[in-house]
Amino acid sequence: EVQLVESGGGLVQPGGSLRLSCAASGFTFSSYEMTWVRQAPGKGLEWVSYINPSGNTKYYADSVKGRFTISRDNPKNSLYLQMNSLRGEDTAVYFCAREKEIQPWEYFDYWGQGTLVTVSS
Amino acid sequence: DIQMTQSPSSLSASVGDRVTITCRASQNIRSYLNWYQQKPGKAPKLLIYAASSLQSGVPSRFSGSGSGTDFTLTISSLQPEDFVTYYCQQSYSTPPYTFGQGTKLEIK
Repeated sequence: EVQLVESGGGLVQPGGSLRLSCAASGFTFSSYEMTWVRQAPGKGLEWVSYINPSGNTKYYADSVKGRFTISRDNPKNSLYLQMNSLRGEDTAVYFCAREKEIQPWEYFDYWGQGTLVTVSS
Repeated sequence: DIQMTQSPSSLSASVGDRVTITCRASQNIRSYLNWYQQKPGKAPKLLIYAASSLQSGVPSRFSGSGSGTDFTLTISSLQPEDFVTYYCQQSYSTPPYTFGQGTKLEIK
């Protein structure tokens, strides 16, 4: 059974840092592209970042570029999101999602339950 | 970046009704369009990929259509568990893979 479990969320002051983790199981993690998506309280979904299976191709939303870094550790079946210089508008539930590719289509077929990040003084 | 616009933002309907949600892309995305359903407090769930392909396990009352810039999600006969929020998302070319702003389906 495919499982994605996020952790690392919490309360952080503006300007602070936080590292989110996503533990994957039930599939060959090293073969899949992975993504972070966030959802501010009461708002819609916002795509945040992407990483390819080897970890050498990454993309970021303009809203987090230069502040967030996505990475992965394939032997540990883990995805990470290092978040620096956090702002109030980064307050959200952060989901990791597996990106399924059936050429040429791509979509997010499995999601974690999410971890809440609150940026506040 | 490609912008996705859903309409309506909210929709009132009754059990058994047929409803359609529309999603428009700011440029031609061919059929690189996915639909997700999200229940309160839960992660999104994939319903439709490639504009019209039903994800395994999703009830056949859900269907998708469209290509280019205009897409629709149709629910043929609403069930009580369908009154939640729906999002479209484009996966054309390279990321960012933007989402629409969501459509909340409410019971009339």
